[in-house]
Amino acid sequence: QVQLVESGGGVVQPGRSLRLSCAASGFTFSSHGMHWVRQAPGKGLEWVAVISNDGSRKYYGDSAKGRFTISRDNSKNMVYLQMNSLRAEDTAVYHCAKETIAAAGTFDFWGQGTLVTVSS
Amino acid sequence: EIVLTQSPGTLSLSPGERATLSCRASQSVSSRNLAWYQQKPGQAPWLLIYGASSRATGIPDRFSGSGSGTDFTLTISRLEPEDFAVYYCQQYGSAPLTFGGGTKVEIK
Repeated sequence: QVQLVESGGGVVQPGRSLRLSCAASGFTFSSHGMHWVRQAPGKGLEWVAVISNDGSRKYYGDSAKGRFTISRDNSKNMVYLQMNSLRAEDTAVYHCAKETIAAAGTFDFWGQGTLVTVSS
Repeated sequence: EIVLTQSPGTLSLSPGERATLSCRASQSVSSRNLAWYQQKPGQAPWLLIYGASSRATGIPDRFSGSGSGTDFTLTISRLEPEDFAVYYCQQYGSAPLTFGGGTKVEIK
């Protein structure tokens, strides 16, 4: 069965960096675009970034541009999110999500997420 | 950026009743590229509908989506106990991908 397991979250000071990882299994990883979507505590969903199935194309939401970098390793079935210059408003649960083949830009499976808390 | 506004914020209904959730876009959503997700407390969201009206794999037929342009609707024909949750719409017709603020369907 499909599994997405995020890791790497924690408490970090403003201005510092953090790298999130997502381990995928149960599907042909190299066939799917992968996304990061975040959810601040008690709030709604915000799309962060996407990487194409082969890693050649990457796009970011406005809050991530210039600070976050998405990457993937198809040999390890992993997707990553490098987050630099973190701010308090980046505090959220970060989910990785598998792109739907039938509808690119939608997410047909999500991981449970990893919590990032930016605080001094 | 396309802003999605969902209404109502909270819907209080009883099991067996019909639920009608609205999602309005600030500009036209191209090619009906509108999706709906369900999220239960402590869980990740789950895809229900894509392409405004196509049910995702395994989604029961009591869930239906409709609409085009700027106005979209998710209908749950008869609420089951497991349907009480928060529902989000999402547009994927233009970058950046955006979500609505959510509608909570709670037990009356």
